[in-house]
Parts: sequence; C-alpha cells; structure tokens
Amino acid sequence: QKEVEQNSGPLSVPEGAIASLNCTYSDRGSQSFFWYRQYSGKSPELIMSIYSNGDKEDGRFTAQLNKASQYVSLLIRDSQPSDSATYLCAVEPDTGFQKLVFGTGTRLLVSP
Amino acid sequence: DAGITQSPRYKITETGRQVTLMCHQTWSHSYMFWYRQDLGHGLRLIYYSAAADITDKGEVPDGYVVSRSKTENFPLTLESATRSQTSVYFCASSERNGGISYEQYFGPGTRLTVT
Repeated sequence: QKEVEQNSGPLSVPEGAIASLNCTYSDRGSQSFFWYRQYSGKSPELIMSIYSNGDKEDGRFTAQLNKASQYVSLLIRDSQPSDSATYLCAVEPDTGFQKLVFGTGTRLLVSP
Repeated sequence: DAGITQSPRYKITETGRQVTLMCHQTWSHSYMFWYRQDLGHGLRLIYYSAAADITDKGEVPDGYVVSRSKTENFPLTLESATRSQTSVYFCASSERNGGISYEQYFGPGTRLTVT
C-alpha cells in the first residue's frame, strides 16, 4: 500500500510569517508530486507541481522535493488569513499512471 | 463555460436505490477520475479512465460502476446505494505526455447522503 503522510495540524502561524508544510511518501520510485489547497466545503485546487529534486517557486509558494529522503514540502511566505485552508499532498507512485495517492492534509490557520 | 462540472451538487437517496453522478469536462483531457473524500481517509480513488472506453479500478471500487463512451463525460453509478457510500464525490481530469503526468483538476464535488 503506497502511503503519503502529513501532519494533520492545525498549524497556526501569524500573518506575515512563513508556513512550512511537510509530506513524506513511501514509494521510493515516485516521480510526480503535487500540492493542493482545499477550503472548507470546496474542491481541491492545484497550487504546485514538482518533478525534480530541489526547489520550485511560484509567487509566495515554494515547493521543495528531496527524493533521497522521500519528502516534499511547501513553504508559504508572507502568510495571509486567506491562506487558511487544508493543504493536500499528492504523489504519483512509480507504477501509478496518474493514480495519485493523497495525504489526509494539513490544516493551516493564519491569524491576523 | 470551460472546465469541469459535476451534477447534481447535492443528492439525498435511500439505501438500495441506484444513483448516477455526472461529470463533464471541456478540456478534452484524456484522463478522468472519480474520488471520494471522507473524514480521516482523505481523497481515495474509486475509478479512473485513460481514454474513451478505457476504465480501471482504483483503491475503493466496490459498489460503483463507471462508463466512458465520450471523452468529455465520465458518469459514476452507485448500483445499490449503501449508507457507507455517504460521502463527497469529486471528479477530476488531467493529461499525460509521455512519462510526465500533468496536474489533475477537480470539479466542484457532489455531496451524497444515503439514508
């Protein structure tokens, strides 16, 4: 069973701070990694995709991938109250052919 | 409008009834997916389709049937609904080019309650 683990939180940060969200996965051969944001009662919304080791930046968001350690993280700089949501990590296993495995999500709370 | 839509958005049905959830996408994506989301389990894949007339089981397929006669549509049928199928159902679509999987985009979801 392929697994993706996330701390359920809540992770509480003050407005303007950096929020760091982490995810570990069990399938060493995984190739594709995604971060989704989900507001309460809404559908998951794609934030970032990352495929290679290292950092990938998009605006206030940075995804970090370390395949050797089997973890992927998401940094949110200058956190805003509107960033308060559940963040889902998704991993495509080596033989998954787009059959993503999702973590249960980390709830982020950004206080004004 | 372009994108991915689901209908109905809310559905209440009784145990034993047949229910069909609809999903429609306008991107001409090859891949389509059905997930259910439950507290404590996160998103779990029910079925997916790589193209018209090609479908395969995901992690939790029991009690569900899918079809895909047209690229843009991917209905999910609960043949005989059970209370354990009370959940929020999301449809998603994506594309794949060679060995790279592109991002999956989700529909707005259908909240299904089985009484």
